[in-house]
Amino acid sequence: EAGVAQSPRYKIIEKRQSVAFWCNPISGHATLYWYQQILGQGPKLLIQFQNNGVVDDSQLPKDRFSAERLKGVDSTLKIQPAKLEDSAVYLCASSPDRGGNTEAFFGQGTRLTVV
Amino acid sequence: GDSVTQMEGPVTLSEEAFLTINCTYTATGYPSLFWYVQYPGEGLQLLLKATKADDKGSNKGFEATYRKETTSFHLEKGSVQVSDSAVYFCALNDYKLSFGAGTTVTVRA
Repeated sequence: EAGVAQSPRYKIIEKRQSVAFWCNPISGHATLYWYQQILGQGPKLLIQFQNNGVVDDSQLPKDRFSAERLKGVDSTLKIQPAKLEDSAVYLCASSPDRGGNTEAFFGQGTRLTVV
Repeated sequence: GDSVTQMEGPVTLSEEAFLTINCTYTATGYPSLFWYVQYPGEGLQLLLKATKADDKGSNKGFEATYRKETTSFHLEKGSVQVSDSAVYFCALNDYKLSFGAGTTVTVRA
């Protein structure tokens, strides 16, 4: 079974530029998550999708971050414009359903450096 | 809202030592509890889970028991190896998967 795929693996941009990350979840998984992991901290949930609907985006900085999940499969996360404090690893994860007892499967992440 | 608090690291141990990482949680509902591990250069992966009170999760010699009365899910291993060096995250899922800050564990030969 293929895992969660993310691209790119690394990205370096200047502040005020824009950037987009892509995620392909495990086939058939209804729930998709985007997390931000700043060095030395735990993952922080940015947005959670159930199929192609948003379940939770309470911690997404909506003035600069946006995300979409087309047709309930792939997802993209965009930052525009980027700030220095956005430097982090962006993790995508998926799970079979929204149920609380199901585990989430994580991709390798995209390491973003804003200079 | 729901949250997880885990003991701060880093933790440094010698091989064959006993490891405990404390984790407590706050939740309004009845969450499932997880321990995830991140080995150097690798992605997050599930180590073990427990879905209801008094359940014990176990994997690779690690164990954790879901204690509702103390709202805890402490991770233990009786004899660690160098290969257990990693960052360990406690997490809860009450229809939203939330993580603790992580504990870095280094095992020396």
